[in-house]
Amino acid sequence: GPKVLQIPSHQIIDMGQMVTLNCDPVSNHLYFYWYKQILGQQMEFLVNFYNGKVMEKSKLFKDQFSVERPDGSYFTLKIQPTALEDSAVYFCASSSGQGREQYFGPGTRLTVL
Amino acid sequence: GDSVTQTEGLVTVTEGLPVKLNCTYQTTYLTIAFFWYVQYLNEAPQVLLKSSTDNKRTEHQGFHATLHKSSSSFHLQKSSAQLSDSALYYCALRPATGGNNKLTFGQGTVLSVIP
Repeated sequence: GPKVLQIPSHQIIDMGQMVTLNCDPVSNHLYFYWYKQILGQQMEFLVNFYNGKVMEKSKLFKDQFSVERPDGSYFTLKIQPTALEDSAVYFCASSSGQGREQYFGPGTRLTVL
Repeated sequence: GDSVTQTEGLVTVTEGLPVKLNCTYQTTYLTIAFFWYVQYLNEAPQVLLKSSTDNKRTEHQGFHATLHKSSSSFHLQKSSAQLSDSALYYCALRPATGGNNKLTFGQGTVLSVIP
């Protein structure tokens, strides 16, 4: 089936530094998502992105977070600066339209020291 | 807000025996789409089943689930578990109208099928 790729699979970073998580969505998909999963907890919605804009975001999407997809390349989640509580697995997803099935990547495990 | 509850963190079952993974929910939306996602080791979560119709059984790959709005449940069942079914299973819901694409997940249940 359609695949979403995430790069890197693991990232270790010092608190206060910037990190960029990369997502290569399904090629014809137009809607993009990030979810966050802290160890032992459920996956939680962060943000939904379409046509160059944030459509919807949760309270977990702090001011230090930003998303973009420049020129149809990777869909990225940038955290600047990082905090200890940002340690989690971040899942990217994409869908072909509103209300369509979301296809997930395998996640990026971010560890903030 | 919406919530999804999966009461078991781990379910262990012997190969060939039936298995049931529980999922209950709370929501204020009238029209909801429900999903079971399965995540095999080191792979991405993928949709196993989906439904938005009350009291209608949905089946895929030997698994089945029925949405029961009267009891706010969408339990996942299989009559004969296989070793290859060992994985992490998530129940999730999403409003089916209004352009809201946010999925709400349960905490997940690890299914371990043993010989």
